[in-house]
Amino acid sequence: DAGVIQSPRHEVTEMGQEVTLRCKPISGHNSLFWYRQTMMRGLELLIYFNNNVPIDDSGMPEDRFSAKMPNASFSTLKIQPSEPRDSAVYFCASSRTGDYNEQFFGPGTRLTVL
Amino acid sequence: AQKITQTQPGMFVQEKEAVTLDCTYDTSDPSYGLFWYKQPSSGEMIFLIYQGSYDQQNATEGRYSLNFQKARKSANLVISASQLGDSAMYFCAMRAGGGADGLTFGKGTHLIIQP
Repeated sequence: DAGVIQSPRHEVTEMGQEVTLRCKPISGHNSLFWYRQTMMRGLELLIYFNNNVPIDDSGMPEDRFSAKMPNASFSTLKIQPSEPRDSAVYFCASSRTGDYNEQFFGPGTRLTVL
Repeated sequence: AQKITQTQPGMFVQEKEAVTLDCTYDTSDPSYGLFWYKQPSSGEMIFLIYQGSYDQQNATEGRYSLNFQKARKSANLVISASQLGDSAMYFCAMRAGGGADGLTFGKGTHLIIQP
């Protein structure tokens, strides 16, 4: 089975540009999570969806960040406009609701904002 | 709010020795899950082991075991017979409440296995 798929794997952009990160969860998983990893703040939960509905977006840093899940097999995380402090690795993870054992992580997208 | 504390920023261990990575947690929710993930230098997050708050026995997965002491709110990871490939960052994480919630992570421990 394919794991969680994220694209792009690397993104370099200039400050002020729009950035869109993409995620395809594992088929059959109905919970999807976006995390951000930085040296300063470690791994942080940004937002998560259950059955395509956003449940908790309290971790989204500010209005420049938005996330959507239009269907069960696709989610996006958008940053507009991007800033250098947004540079981080962004992970997407998925799990089955009621399955307490594991969140499966994608390979991550390394974002660099110049 | 939940909190995970990992007090060992880095550890050096000789190959084939056992390793204990410390993790303490704080939550007011009676139902929660505890996880350990491994992150090698390549960057991916690899699930290692899970312990539920109501599980009566400590979880084990191959060379990994979780020393769960509920009263002390600790969930230490034990790696038996360490190998060079165990060198990585290790993160303790918690999910409180229902199974659909996101994870709260600790800062991690950088484990280096020496030959």
